Amino acid sequence: NAGVTQTPKFQVLKTGQSMTLQCAQDMNHEYMSWYRQDPGMGLRLIHYSVGAGITDQGEVPNGYNVSRSTTEDFPLRLLSAAPSQTSVYFCASSYGMAGAREKLFFGSGTQLSVL
Amino acid sequence: DAKTTQPNSMESNEEEPVHLPCNHSTISGTDYIHWYRQLPSQGPEYVIHGLTSNVNNRMASLAIAEDRKSSTLILHRATLRDAAVYYCILRPTQAQGAQKLVFGQGTRLTINP
Repeated sequence: NAGVTQTPKFQVLKTGQSMTLQCAQDMNHEYMSWYRQDPGMGLRLIHYSVGAGITDQGEVPNGYNVSRSTTEDFPLRLLSAAPSQTSVYFCASSYGMAGAREKLFFGSGTQLSVL
Repeated sequence: DAKTTQPNSMESNEEEPVHLPCNHSTISGTDYIHWYRQLPSQGPEYVIHGLTSNVNNRMASLAIAEDRKSSTLILHRATLRDAAVYYCILRPTQAQGAQKLVFGQGTRLTINP
């Protein structure tokens, strides 16, 4: 079982470039989400999805787009990278949203630097 | 949204028990209490969760106050591998808000050999 897989692990961008962070899970989870973690800080929710075709904004959505065309994949797009988006990005998934099945599984993260 | 309050840091010795406190005075009756931990350079990992009763698993125990306004994560015999940031999180069970899991800054646990 691969769990939650994030690619790439490291990425350096120039200001204004665009890129997509990939996230895939093989556990047939309905819920997926993206977080960012700045140095010394907790995680902040960027976007989340409760199923294929359904996405919504989290706490810090500006500058990011998401889509959920399949249950397995939840890519995060940076449209025009800015230095303020330098961070570590984590993807997470769970079976559902509520009750005892909502344990979150996290990927290993993507460290992004925007110069 | 209900918030949690944790100490910024704690220190303990190897092979001793560790009690990590969390205050959540505004918790609602349907909020689950979750604990995650984040080892250095890794993504968070699930530790334990509960609603009203105390819970045990192979990693830890969760003691929940009778009024549910506080909880304590108990590591029975700390090892150096338990050094991590521990997050106490409330997760609503209602559909609205259940998906927005909010992480605070957590407690950085240091284990001395």
